[in-house]
Amino acid sequence: GAGVSQSPSNKVTEKGKDVELRCDPISGHTALYWYRQSLGQGLEFLIYFQGNSAPDKSGLPSDRFSAERTGGSVSTLTIQRTQQEDSAVYLCASSFQGARGANVLTFGAGSRLTVL
Amino acid sequence: SQQGEEDPQALSIQEGENATMNCSYKTSINNLQWYRQNSGRGLVHLILIRSNEREKHSGRLRVTLDTSKKSSSLLITASRAADTASYFCATGPNTGGFKTIFGAGTRLFVKA
Repeated sequence: GAGVSQSPSNKVTEKGKDVELRCDPISGHTALYWYRQSLGQGLEFLIYFQGNSAPDKSGLPSDRFSAERTGGSVSTLTIQRTQQEDSAVYLCASSFQGARGANVLTFGAGSRLTVL
Repeated sequence: SQQGEEDPQALSIQEGENATMNCSYKTSINNLQWYRQNSGRGLVHLILIRSNEREKHSGRLRVTLDTSKKSSSLLITASRAADTASYFCATGPNTGGFKTIFGAGTRLFVKA
């Protein structure tokens, strides 16, 4: 597609349920990022996939959070046993890692998660 | 953990005035980028400056980078109401890899 696509755009769930958030990056982009943004706050790094390398999971807040990227393309962020503090906008971005170490991220519109 | 910290947290100016936002970071970087966010959804890339550059221009945007002070500034000249948004700096590491860390952002409000 022309841009980064995220689904669902909005998700309301009950505390304790599992949720899956999907990200479809730009075709050909080798890197994929997940961030979390609470209301009025900055972006909190969660996880980053780079090509076929092992993902950098250093930002995942707890073992309830996991993510996978299948076939080097689509990624799913899974939150198990959701808590109210998980409520936030989850942003996905992808990039093509060019020469000299610089890469520009293209973001999706985000998935707003509300845990009741 | 956040790498960059922007100041001010919020800025309100009149249309036509210049807006200056600052970003400080902690570790050695390869590059620094500025992004804009409208309405709390996806971010849009504005400009990238490499660690060996000191200043860069793009339209009404001017970015400076001082690696000795680990700081950067974004200047928007002749601001417009449409510039109202949140602005974030983001850093890429100098240690290999492409993990990109964002600051807390500056919320800019331009009054018409």
